Amino acid sequence: GQSLEQPSEVTAVEGAIVQINCTYQTSGFYGLSWYQQHDGGAPTFLSYNALDGLEETGRFSSFLSRSDSYGYLLLQELQMKDSASYFCAVRDAGDTGRRALTFGSGTRLQVQP
Amino acid sequence: EADIYQTPRYLVIGTGKKITLECSQTMGHDKMYWYQQDPGMELHLIHYSYGVNSTEKGDLSSESTVSRIRTEHFPLTLESARPSHTSQYLCASSDPVKSSYNEQFFGPGTRLTVL
Repeated sequence: GQSLEQPSEVTAVEGAIVQINCTYQTSGFYGLSWYQQHDGGAPTFLSYNALDGLEETGRFSSFLSRSDSYGYLLLQELQMKDSASYFCAVRDAGDTGRRALTFGSGTRLQVQP
Repeated sequence: EADIYQTPRYLVIGTGKKITLECSQTMGHDKMYWYQQDPGMELHLIHYSYGVNSTEKGDLSSESTVSRIRTEHFPLTLESARPSHTSQYLCASSDPVKSSYNEQFFGPGTRLTVL
């Protein structure tokens, strides 16, 4: 099976940089994804890492180390609108034949003025 | 832009009623999913489909059923609603050819309350 761990809450101030970590255990690995979800809203896709290294998309970057089963989401120049929950997710592997995502429990980011 | 729709957005219903939650997407995606999510909690996969006439159960035993008769439509049915079914239900789709299984597009969700 798959399992993911991420911190439950993170607080930061506007303009700062914050890193949300995610460690995972999977029987196979097909990439680590990140999703953002505002209160009352639907999750939206942010990024996907299949290979080691850093992927940058504007103010958001995502990093993956497959040897450490670890990744993180980096948010720079924080804005109030970044207050949301952030979920990491891995794709299920071949032992079940299932090609679906398993999500972590989410990290609630609170951006303060 | 993602075009995936869910109706109703909110539903309050009594115990024992049969309900169907609708999900439609106009992106032509083969892969569709249903998740259950309690407020502030993780998403649990309850059903998924790889294409027409293909449906599978996920991790959570939600006592629901799904059907996939058309590519764009993936309804979820609860035969007999119970208070334990109170939750948010999220529908999603993906296209591994254009992007990957990892990029899923979510509908706005149906918030279900069973009294």
